Amino acid sequence: SQTIHQWPATLVQPVGSPLSLECTVEGTSNPNLYWYRQAAGRGLQLLFYSVGIGQISSEVPQNLSASRPQDRQFILSSKKLLLSDSGFYLCAWSGTPLNTEAFFGQGTRLTVV
Amino acid sequence: GNSVTQMEGPVTLSEEAFLTINCTYTATGYPSLFWYVQYPGEGLQLLLKATKADDKGSNKGFEATYRKETTSFHLEKGSVQVSDSAVYFCALSEYAGKSTFGDGTTLTVKP
Repeated sequence: SQTIHQWPATLVQPVGSPLSLECTVEGTSNPNLYWYRQAAGRGLQLLFYSVGIGQISSEVPQNLSASRPQDRQFILSSKKLLLSDSGFYLCAWSGTPLNTEAFFGQGTRLTVV
Repeated sequence: GNSVTQMEGPVTLSEEAFLTINCTYTATGYPSLFWYVQYPGEGLQLLLKATKADDKGSNKGFEATYRKETTSFHLEKGSVQVSDSAVYFCALSEYAGKSTFGDGTTLTVKP
């Protein structure tokens, strides 16, 4: 069966520090991968998605970037964190284009102080 | 573009009460519709889904029917339990899991 791992679960970082969140998927190949952010009390905003290695699409302009160095690895990064980057970050994957369901990781609670 | 509008919360019910959480959507194509549930401190789990008009998704006593004429996908449960307390998200997707979410509705069920 397929599983998705996301870490760390919680992170407290100072303003101006770098960020690296990692997500890996097991049990499937060539998944579509996604990074979402959930602000407090709000829904999910799609940040990035990837349909293959090295292919990244950005949905909103921001202080973050994403990379996909391997088929089942998706990384969310920042060179210098802002206070506004605080939130709950969720990685997700989906299968073929006909299967539109997304499967989510457990999330990372990021607090920028 | 696509959008999802959810009933504003929070919603507080007594155990065994009837639950309805409204969800309407705007989409340019023919999306699949989903309800996800998020328990405290956790990621999202798929609760139910419907992929075409008039489909009914159901799971764990929850139901929702894809109504194309009213662009709605309301979530219902006949008798809620304390363990149903969570945040519920309505979402639509037209392509490969790239989803648009509502803002979420927090449900609290009291004994």
